[in-house]
Amino acid sequence: SYELTQPPSVSVSPGLTASITCSGHKLGDKYTCWYQQKPGQSPLLVMYQDTKRPSGIPERFSGSSSGNTATLTISGTQAMDEADYYCQAWDSGSVVFGGGTKLTVL
Amino acid sequence: QLQVQESGPGLVKPSETLSLTCSVSGGSISSSSHHWGWIRQPPGKGLEWIGSIYYTEKTYYNPSLNSRVTISIDTSKNQFSLKLTSVTVADRAVYFCARVAMVGLGVDYWGRGALVTVSS
Repeated sequence: SYELTQPPSVSVSPGLTASITCSGHKLGDKYTCWYQQKPGQSPLLVMYQDTKRPSGIPERFSGSSSGNTATLTISGTQAMDEADYYCQAWDSGSVVFGGGTKLTVL
Repeated sequence: QLQVQESGPGLVKPSETLSLTCSVSGGSISSSSHHWGWIRQPPGKGLEWIGSIYYTEKTYYNPSLNSRVTISIDTSKNQFSLKLTSVTVADRAVYFCARVAMVGLGVDYWGRGALVTVSS
């Protein structure tokens, strides 16, 4: 079955840029989505089709994908961005999630 | 504004069947542009896809759960349901129902989640 690999944790200082990666075989040939989940809340879609932001998602969130890696980038990271982030792709009609990355803003 | 909401027992005995229903409001479950899915999250762990269903009753299941999962849809009630058989303590999780937009567009609406505990 298809697997997506994320680093368990990423740390960033406020105001700087955070990058969260997601790796999978030929992931660049698939669409990747990203979700933000804060404690006690449902996941929130923050990026779809690799690079597109849903309405209401701040411009500091951006995405890219190429080869075997997709990346979610948060520019000018704010304390409110501290959360778990999950990448997601499709394989044979089914949804696959990465293991999640805990973003710490310190 | 579309809303999806899970309902069902919060406690299931080992070896029995977990049953949850998702009620959809503010939109039609018969949309040709969306699937309707179930995702779970064990406490403190990551998201796991369970499966999804289209209004035509076409289903997609996680291969690791395929033998125990059934997802059904009732377009007359604007609801879809999950059944997971032979549950164990490993099935304890928050179960989310959600709307899945077509490939690439993501899971765009999520329920608040329902915690299901497996215990005798």
